[in-house]
Amino acid sequence: DTEVTQTPKHLVMGMTNKKSLKCEQHMGHRAMYWYKQKAKKPPELMFVYSYEKLSINESVPSRFSPECPNSSLLNLHLHALQPEDSALYLCASSPLTEGRETQYFGPGTRLLVL
Amino acid sequence: AQTVTQSQPEMSVQEAETVTLSCTYDTSESDYYLFWYKQPPSRQMILVIRQEAYKQQNATENRFSVNFQKAAKSFSLKISDSQLGDAAMYFCAVTTGGGGSQGNLIFGKGTKLSVKP
Repeated sequence: DTEVTQTPKHLVMGMTNKKSLKCEQHMGHRAMYWYKQKAKKPPELMFVYSYEKLSINESVPSRFSPECPNSSLLNLHLHALQPEDSALYLCASSPLTEGRETQYFGPGTRLLVL
Repeated sequence: AQTVTQSQPEMSVQEAETVTLSCTYDTSESDYYLFWYKQPPSRQMILVIRQEAYKQQNATENRFSVNFQKAAKSFSLKISDSQLGDAAMYFCAVTTGGGGSQGNLIFGKGTKLSVKP
């Protein structure tokens, strides 16, 4: 099973709202990732968690706040976003042992900031 | 730094025909991995095929195969017997491995494949 799930599928929020994106995997993977993807562009890495610890933050603005409560769950908390933050947000996971280099993606959350 | 170049922004193929998507990459690492991901209009990023750089044998997955030319740093994807469901954006990507690295994926800009009935 190589399934990564993401909720919600779609999200519309105002610039003063606080919302959260959720990502879950039950493959025993110990690395989880957040990517941002604008239309017709490749995904851009935002954050990497390795063994539930933040290991990479690609200079993402503080209005995006990641959280990894346990090895199966990854959240992205959103606060005071800008319209240019509208994008598809993809979550991925990978093992940290055999096959650690292969990332499996969720279906994404399509975010619209008004 | 690693880079990935996909020189074909768009490609088109007739159903049941064969098409090849090009990808070149640059990396100074000796231990790395190459991938093709497919992203249909539903936007789900789906792993198509992967290749370990240390393996000389080209990877195959059913109708999908790669032509991995390590010296030329080329990694093309061949789709045989194209089907309407193959229509999607295809991304080539590279990552390093080893040493416990979680492997930062570097993507090319993508090739949009259309399949004509």
